[in-house]
Amino acid sequence: SQQGEEDPQALSIQEGENATMNCSYKTSINNLQWYRQNSGRGLVHLILIRSNEREKHSGRLRVTLDTSKKSSSLLITASRAADTASYFCATAPGSQGGSEKLVFGKGTKLTVNP
Amino acid sequence: DAGITQSPRHKVTETGTPVTLRCHQTENHRYMYWYRQDPGHGLRLIHYSYGVKDTDKGEVSDGYSVSRSKTEDFLLTLESATSSQTSVYFCAISDLRGRGGEAFFGQGTRLTVV
Repeated sequence: SQQGEEDPQALSIQEGENATMNCSYKTSINNLQWYRQNSGRGLVHLILIRSNEREKHSGRLRVTLDTSKKSSSLLITASRAADTASYFCATAPGSQGGSEKLVFGKGTKLTVNP
Repeated sequence: DAGITQSPRHKVTETGTPVTLRCHQTENHRYMYWYRQDPGHGLRLIHYSYGVKDTDKGEVSDGYSVSRSKTEDFLLTLESATSSQTSVYFCAISDLRGRGGEAFFGQGTRLTVV
């Protein structure tokens, strides 16, 4: 089974609003990453948060990590139509001799309406 | 874009035929991954490599084999293609010595098995 599970599966908001996506995972991790995928394209890395970090910012992105709840959230502030994409969390398990594996969830499809 | 190239980009093949997909990188990254992406399943890890001739299975490895005889190339082979292997295949590379696991993705190969 997949390590990460995003919630919600789909999200539709108006331009200017904030978008929040959540990710839950099952086992211990070394780090958790968020990726974005535009339709028909490869994934692009957005942000990485390590297991000993609780919050990280990058531009309009804010990621939190709660290892006690095995969950993470991605907040996109002041969304734009160009943010329309699918967003995936990925986890690198920390208990298997390193972070070799990178396992993805099913993704959240975000639509930002102009 | 990171130096990662997948070939072919599109392929239609018949059931029962062997198919090989190629992933080529120019970044000298240690880790290489093959994923398949299907609606409702997100990205699922097929196989990955942590060095030349060092490979391991992912969550959906049945029916697939891989080889990595040199750092820059990671081949995915479907020994006898089935319709259930119709999918979009993504290759990714990563270097844990760098920024801790950020992965770079190829543009994908759309495979149709008829």
